[in-house]
Amino acid sequence: EDQVTQSPEALRLQEGESSSLNCSYTVSGLRGLFWYRQDPGKGPEFLFTLYSAGEEKEKERLKATLTKKESFLHITAPKPEDSATYLCAVQTPTDSWGKLQFGAGTQVVVTP
Amino acid sequence: DGGITQSPKYLFRKEGQNVTLSCEQNLNHDAMYWYRQDPGQGLRLIYYSQIVNDFQKGDIAEGYSVSREKKESFPLTVTSAQKNPTAFYLCASSIPGSYGYTFGSGTRLTVV
Repeated sequence: EDQVTQSPEALRLQEGESSSLNCSYTVSGLRGLFWYRQDPGKGPEFLFTLYSAGEEKEKERLKATLTKKESFLHITAPKPEDSATYLCAVQTPTDSWGKLQFGAGTQVVVTP
Repeated sequence: DGGITQSPKYLFRKEGQNVTLSCEQNLNHDAMYWYRQDPGQGLRLIYYSQIVNDFQKGDIAEGYSVSREKKESFPLTVTSAQKNPTAFYLCASSIPGSYGYTFGSGTRLTVV
């Protein structure tokens, strides 16, 4: 059975304290891995798509990396405005019409 | 600006009532989706539609119904058969086979 697992469930950081979020997946083939940011009471906002092992993408203080079994979202020198829930999702070749399978998310709180 | 509009933002349902959640997009996307989000769980797919007048059940379709009479609109009805409807409902759209969704801002449904 395909599974997407995110860890930790919650993360509390001091401003400037870098850390990483993990997304591990067991799927029958990977077509793409997605990272989204979700603020409380709002819809998820797209951050990155990764397609193959070894790929990396960056946006401001965020950097996403991908291996054959997992992806990491690195937050460098976070600020309070980086506080959000970060969602990971995967798409498999059998779901090429568009279905994404989501992990439960990591809630990040950055304190001044 | 193009986007997805969900309404209402908050909805209250009495026992035995059917309620309809609205989702409208002006992105010219063919595919549309409904997900349900519960605390501590990943987003779960309720229904999806790849083209007008066609839709498919997702992983948790029981107690829900949809229609797709126009490309721009994909309303979700939560019927009285849905025993635990309290949740945050998210609508999304994409180009079929593309690599990511655009989400609406969500509707929070509460049973009273």
